Amino acid sequence: GAGVSQSPRYKVAKRGQDVALRCDPISGHVSLFWYQQALGQGPEFLTYFQNEAQLDKSGLPSDRFFAERPEGSVSTLKIQRTQQEDSAVYLCASSLDPFSKNIQYFGAGTRLSVL
Amino acid sequence: KNEVEQSPQNLTAQEGEFITINCSYSVGISALHWLQQHPGGGIVSLFMLSSGKKKHGRLIATINIQEKHSSLHITASHPRDSAVYICAVSKRTDKLIFGTGTRLQVFP
Repeated sequence: GAGVSQSPRYKVAKRGQDVALRCDPISGHVSLFWYQQALGQGPEFLTYFQNEAQLDKSGLPSDRFFAERPEGSVSTLKIQRTQQEDSAVYLCASSLDPFSKNIQYFGAGTRLSVL
Repeated sequence: KNEVEQSPQNLTAQEGEFITINCSYSVGISALHWLQQHPGGGIVSLFMLSSGKKKHGRLIATINIQEKHSSLHITASHPRDSAVYICAVSKRTDKLIFGTGTRLQVFP
């Protein structure tokens, strides 16, 4: 596709359930970012991949959060034993080249509601 | 204190008005970004700049590196400009540090 695609768009989970959020970046984009956006707030960085390597996971809020990008394209963000405070929009972004300044292209996000 | 501060938080304007949104940051940066987010929609990058001024249509972005300050201007505002405008900075790596956004509503 032409843009960054995220699925599902909406996810409702019961507290304690595991969820998996998918991101399809723009083809050929080396860098992939995950951000978390709570209601009324600006997005916050979660993790960053360069191809399949997870170079920065400093923003993951707990060890319940796990991200992977095994073949350097599609990425999955997994949240285990979801809690109410995990409710947010999860945004994925990709950019072409980590070695020069590039704009990031964002997906529409996955809105997660934990009941 | 947040590393990126925006003002105002909320802004209303009449169609045709000139609009300014301000952004201040407290860290060394490699680039500053202005982004637009429509309700329920994704985020679109408007500008990435590290010095001077950029213009695209009715939008103008400026940055003063010494003062750690940037402004986004919208000339001849229109109701379709209504959105949240977010300032973000990137440092050594490309990960973005975001401000909390400015919600703009332009009325006809």
